[in-house]
Amino acid sequence: ETGVTQTPRHLVMGMTNKKSLKCEQHLGHNAMYWYKQSAKKPLELMFVYNFKEQTENNSVPSRFSPECPNSSHLFLHLHTLQPEDSALYLCASSQASGAAQPQHFGDGTRLSIL
Amino acid sequence: GQQLNQSPQSMFIQEGEDVSMNCTSSSIFNTWLWYKQDPGEGPVLLIALYKAGELTSNGRLTAQFGITRKDSFLNISASIPSDVGIYFCAGREETSGSRLTFGEGTQLTVNP
Repeated sequence: ETGVTQTPRHLVMGMTNKKSLKCEQHLGHNAMYWYKQSAKKPLELMFVYNFKEQTENNSVPSRFSPECPNSSHLFLHLHTLQPEDSALYLCASSQASGAAQPQHFGDGTRLSIL
Repeated sequence: GQQLNQSPQSMFIQEGEDVSMNCTSSSIFNTWLWYKQDPGEGPVLLIALYKAGELTSNGRLTAQFGITRKDSFLNISASIPSDVGIYFCAGREETSGSRLTFGEGTQLTVNP
């Protein structure tokens, strides 16, 4: 059971498609994160939002566009992706960013780019 | 950027054996976290450590925050088949704000 819910769990899309990943947290946290997890590599931080404001963009290509309408919801809009973008995309939340609080993860969206 | 060296990369053990894995960094960390990830799921927090020398247990799991603040250890005692999974360390540098750095993971296989 997780307090962080991600949808869809699996997504297959072509390089010209536009799709969105959704994350919702039920933990009352104020910080939310997007990570990319590829095989044989450490988790890569993509974006950080704190109280709905983006505080970090880890040099992510513009074909990934995050949106955080409130502290409970986080989206990742995808367009014109490349085959190397195939990976597991994980959302996480914590009480606040910049504080010594652990991050809690969702189960991820497995993305495959054809 | 900062990298964590997590070892071993994989372990194959018999049920009932104890397991030890560790992470080291080249810089000082003020937080160490240990996560477990099962296939098809996201990482689940096992133990959080916030002070040098801190030793914390969670059931059969014990983790320690190294005295030098550059390493952490996770031990699993009397392993069981459901311990199978990938174990990740994660740390937060003093100067990194909210950013967590993750190790590459230790794949644990437990043979019944």
